[in-house]
Amino acid sequence: SAVISQKPSRDICQRGTSLTIQCQVDSQVTMMFWYRQQPGQSLTLIATANQGSEATYESGFVIDKFPISRPNLTFSTLTVSNMSPEDSSIYLCSVGTSGETQYFGPGTRLLVL
Amino acid sequence: GENVEQHPSTLSVQEGDSAVIKCTYSDSASNYFPWYKQELGKRPQLIIDIRSNVGEKKDQRIAVTLNKTAKHFSLHITETQPEDSAVYFCAASGHTGGFKTIFGAGTRLFVKA
Repeated sequence: SAVISQKPSRDICQRGTSLTIQCQVDSQVTMMFWYRQQPGQSLTLIATANQGSEATYESGFVIDKFPISRPNLTFSTLTVSNMSPEDSSIYLCSVGTSGETQYFGPGTRLLVL
Repeated sequence: GENVEQHPSTLSVQEGDSAVIKCTYSDSASNYFPWYKQELGKRPQLIIDIRSNVGEKKDQRIAVTLNKTAKHFSLHITETQPEDSAVYFCAASGHTGGFKTIFGAGTRLFVKA
């Protein structure tokens, strides 16, 4: 499976600010996804990061709040904009290397004060 | 919309006993069913998966069964060990929706030594 890294691993931010999370894969992958996992909860898909085009957002998530970039097949960023304490969560990227199988990055633990 | 229900939410077993986690899905187009194990503070790790053309798959102490007619699938762990203690997520995805994966709510498994 691919080696996936995320930066930062954790951060504490002030409300109203923005944080950009990076996801780097050691090989080219077709699919990249961004998930949110609130403490003790399941994984909720935020969006599919599409290379060369706008991300596809799930219901309840909008581009203005979670802008996503995917400049190539090994890298993507997720920005959490104008943060509030409700955005405190773990953010995970995942990649699909062959068909449906997804592998997750280590996650970014975000606390908004 | 698509939905995956997972039961039980918590499961406690004695070391050496078997554990069974059950999931049902709503989208009849789903054809890929992965299971992930998430230890505390770690990323979800794929432990086994099954595709819709197979009724059962086994990997050492772990097995998964699928009933497409009833739209349910199950994870079986035999001879449980304390290191099996974790949160387990079932998921369902298909070619429609760009391999979008829907996760169950998770089962917290405790294996008592």
